[in-house]
Amino acid sequence: DARVTQTPRHKVTEMGQEVTMRCQPILGHNTVFWYRQTMMQGLELLAYFRNRAPLDDSGMPKDRFSAEMPDATLATLKIQPSEPRDSAVYFCASGSGQGMADTQYFGPGTRLTVL
Amino acid sequence: GDSVTQMEGPVTLSEEAFLTINCTYTATGYPSLFWYVQYPGEGLQLLLKATKADDKGSNKGFEATYRKETTSFHLEKGSVQVSDSAVYFCALRGYTGNQFYFGTGTSLTVIP
Repeated sequence: DARVTQTPRHKVTEMGQEVTMRCQPILGHNTVFWYRQTMMQGLELLAYFRNRAPLDDSGMPKDRFSAEMPDATLATLKIQPSEPRDSAVYFCASGSGQGMADTQYFGPGTRLTVL
Repeated sequence: GDSVTQMEGPVTLSEEAFLTINCTYTATGYPSLFWYVQYPGEGLQLLLKATKADDKGSNKGFEATYRKETTSFHLEKGSVQVSDSAVYFCALRGYTGNQFYFGTGTSLTVIP
């Protein structure tokens, strides 16, 4: 049963520290999404990749967040420096790129707490 | 811009009750519509989807019909179970394929 994996599952860090979250999309999927979920804002799309190229990262604070896909099996989301308001659950999802009908398969999330 | 609005929760139902969670959307063109479910401590999972007007998505006893005339995609289930307790998200994918919008989620608790 193919799944999206994310590491770490939980991260507690102090304000100002760098945080890197990793995602392994389902093998063969060519679209990758990063979302942030908070009680106040709900689910927000941060970035969207197709064939490893960023198509939309307008939802991501550019000054501190960066998202990359070094290869087809790894997507990373980095926050530097982290702030308490970044505390949230970060989800990665992948899709097979079937256009409008494309289903997103979500990973279990990384729960980030910035003190 | 495109958006999705779903009914606020939380919703509490007794087992075997009928469930409706309302979802309406605003979009240019013909979006695809989805319902996702999130169980505690897990990521979202696709529950059902519909890609054109009058399509009905169904899965695990849940149904939703894509109604373009009322711009709605309401989720229904005839008889809920305790195991259906979760948060349900309505979602829209814009006609270009590059825009994604999720509703705020509706928490459902089913009591025995």
